[in-house]
Amino acid sequence: GESVGLHLPTLSVQEGDNSIINCAYSNSASDYFIWYKQESGKGPQFIIDIRSNMDKRQGQRVTVLLNKTVKHLSLQIAATQPGDSAVYFCAETRLTGGGNKLTFGTGTQLKVEL
Amino acid sequence: DGGITQSPKYLFRKEGQNVTLSCEQNLNHDAMYWYRQDPGQGLRLIYYSQIVNDFQKGDIAEGYSVSREKKESFPLTVTSAQKNPTAFYLCASSISGIGNQPQHFGDGTRLSIL
Repeated sequence: GESVGLHLPTLSVQEGDNSIINCAYSNSASDYFIWYKQESGKGPQFIIDIRSNMDKRQGQRVTVLLNKTVKHLSLQIAATQPGDSAVYFCAETRLTGGGNKLTFGTGTQLKVEL
Repeated sequence: DGGITQSPKYLFRKEGQNVTLSCEQNLNHDAMYWYRQDPGQGLRLIYYSQIVNDFQKGDIAEGYSVSREKKESFPLTVTSAQKNPTAFYLCASSISGIGNQPQHFGDGTRLSIL
């Protein structure tokens, strides 16, 4: 069935290293993808988005890569810092004709080790 | 500052009681959303509203009700028919209800059963 999922529930990285968080989706009709960061006890915070007509998009210290052939999305964080420790979610929209409905993955916990 | 305000931060419900969660935004966004988050899971859509005086059921609407009488407000009522209401509830808004728009979140209300 259709799903938005993540390969790993937990990712541990050393401070200063680069982090790569992965996400898989199954619906080839998905045309918009978002990465969110959620800290404990808070709401998700928008990080970066990408549309299906793009393969790559860069922000400040973050890069999102989209591979439509294998339906794979990744978030790369450069020079990971302790403040990056959080749960990261990918989300997608599917044009079902009913508004801006996002479908979320289950999240990856990023732990930054000093 | 513009943003989304959810209140209260913590809420307790007795058996057979209805409770209402508040969500207010001053971003002038047309669309608003309610999600439920359970431990270790992604967000699931309860209800959404693309415009004032209009709303649609999401994936898990049973046991919940909403209203959208004002653009800036989208309260969620958890009724006694919701048999497992303990969760973290998140409200979000976006500029419009058309796809390809990022949603921005409040900091949530944690509901527990007494």
